[in-house]
Amino acid sequence: SAVISQKPSRDICQRGTSLTIQCQVDSQVTMMFWYRQQPGQSLTLIATANQGSEATYESGFVIDKFPISRPNLTFSTLTVSNMSPEDSSIYLCSGTQGVNTEAFFGQGTRLTVV
Amino acid sequence: GQNIDQPTEMTATEGAIVQINCTYQTSGFNGLFWYQQHAGEAPTFLSYNVLDGLEEKGRFSSFLSRSKGYSYLLLKELQMKDSASYLCAVRSPNSGNTPLVFGKGTRLSVIA
Repeated sequence: SAVISQKPSRDICQRGTSLTIQCQVDSQVTMMFWYRQQPGQSLTLIATANQGSEATYESGFVIDKFPISRPNLTFSTLTVSNMSPEDSSIYLCSGTQGVNTEAFFGQGTRLTVV
Repeated sequence: GQNIDQPTEMTATEGAIVQINCTYQTSGFNGLFWYQQHAGEAPTFLSYNVLDGLEEKGRFSSFLSRSKGYSYLLLKELQMKDSASYLCAVRSPNSGNTPLVFGKGTRLSVIA
């Protein structure tokens, strides 16, 4: 499967600020997704990153808080806006290549908001 | 709605066999996946079932019964490095390009 490079790997941010997380894939992927993983919990889907159009958000997540870009088939960004301590989590990007294939993940971004 | 259940924690002995169960209720089904996640790392893909039956891959096997909404992951000849969380995930509805929905994960501890 393809390899996703995600950065930053971790960051400590002040409340009220924004952080942009980047994911670069080493080959074209069909779909890209963003997940959040709270400590000790499983993965919760934030949104599907659509190439060249607005992302599709899951219930409880909105574009103003988590704007997402996907300008081409190999790159996507997630911004966590106006952060509060409740946004402290691990954020993971994921991709799939082709229909009915497994998803693979970036290394994750561990975000702490103080 | 979608609901995926798996035990929270399990403990097994080095060299033994352990079975991690997963039950799911989803609107549509297009495959069940198992992932391994070590603490502080991203999930890594283990297995994929879309038809009923057993898929074997080395020390790891995964079983699926679509009529029962049930799967299990079987780990043989356990090693200490198998201590990790194991995540059951389902792709639904009936599309091959939709995102995976994950269960809460089973934390497996392998002891000597």
